[in-house]
Amino acid sequence: EAGVAQSPRYKIIEKRQSVAFWCNPISGHATLYWYQQILGQGPKLLIQFQNNGVVDDSQLPKDRFSAERLKGVDSTLKIQPAKLEDSAVYLCASSLDLGYEQFFGPGTRLTVL
Amino acid sequence: KNQVEQSPQSLIILEGKNCTLQCNYTVSPFSNLRWYKQDTGRGPVSLTIMTFSENTKSNGRYTATLDADTKQSSLHITASQLSDSASYICVVSAVPNEKLTFGTGTRLTIIP
Repeated sequence: EAGVAQSPRYKIIEKRQSVAFWCNPISGHATLYWYQQILGQGPKLLIQFQNNGVVDDSQLPKDRFSAERLKGVDSTLKIQPAKLEDSAVYLCASSLDLGYEQFFGPGTRLTVL
Repeated sequence: KNQVEQSPQSLIILEGKNCTLQCNYTVSPFSNLRWYKQDTGRGPVSLTIMTFSENTKSNGRYTATLDADTKQSSLHITASQLSDSASYICVVSAVPNEKLTFGTGTRLTIIP
C-alpha cells in the first residue's frame, strides 16, 4: 500500500515570496491533516479536512496561510507571503476517518531566507 | 491547557544498551497515547498505542507503559541498535474529537 506522498521535499525561498506544498493521502482516507514542525518541537496542527470540508483550522495563520482539498483527495497548502519564522517542516498526514491512526508523509522542509 | 512533556530532551547511549524515555501529560479527558519514531528527514511512524485500560504494550524491542492515574508513560528500548537513532515523540489523544497533543520529543543517538 502506497503511503502519504508529499512534494517538493525541500524548498528554499526568500521572505515575502509565495510557496505551495502538495499532499496525496493514502487512497480511501477521508481525513487529511497539515502540520508544521519547527526544529526541536513536536508537530503543530495547522488544518484538518474531512473529505473536502474543514474540520479544524483554529491554528492556521489565515492572513498568510491557505489550504484546500477540492475533490476530497489531494490537498495543497500555500503560504503568501512567507516570513522567516515559517521555516519548518510541513507534514501531511491522513487517516481512514476521524479518530483513526494517522499516517504521516515524509514532509517538506521549507527554508525562508 | 492540554500538554505533553518528555524527558530527557536528548540521550546518547552505546549500542546494545537499554534506555527508557519518559512522557508526562495533562490531556483530559484521555483517549489514547501513542509513541512515534521519527527518523531524520522522515515523517513520524507509530510504534505503540495504548488506551486507558492498557498499562503495557510491546512492539519488538520497544515496550511502552502507561499509568493513567499519574498520567505518565515510558518507552523502554532493549538492546539498542544504530537504527534506533531517531526522535521519539509521545502523542496523547483526547475525547471526543481525538485531537492530538504532541510532545517535543526525545532525540536518541546510538553510538557504536
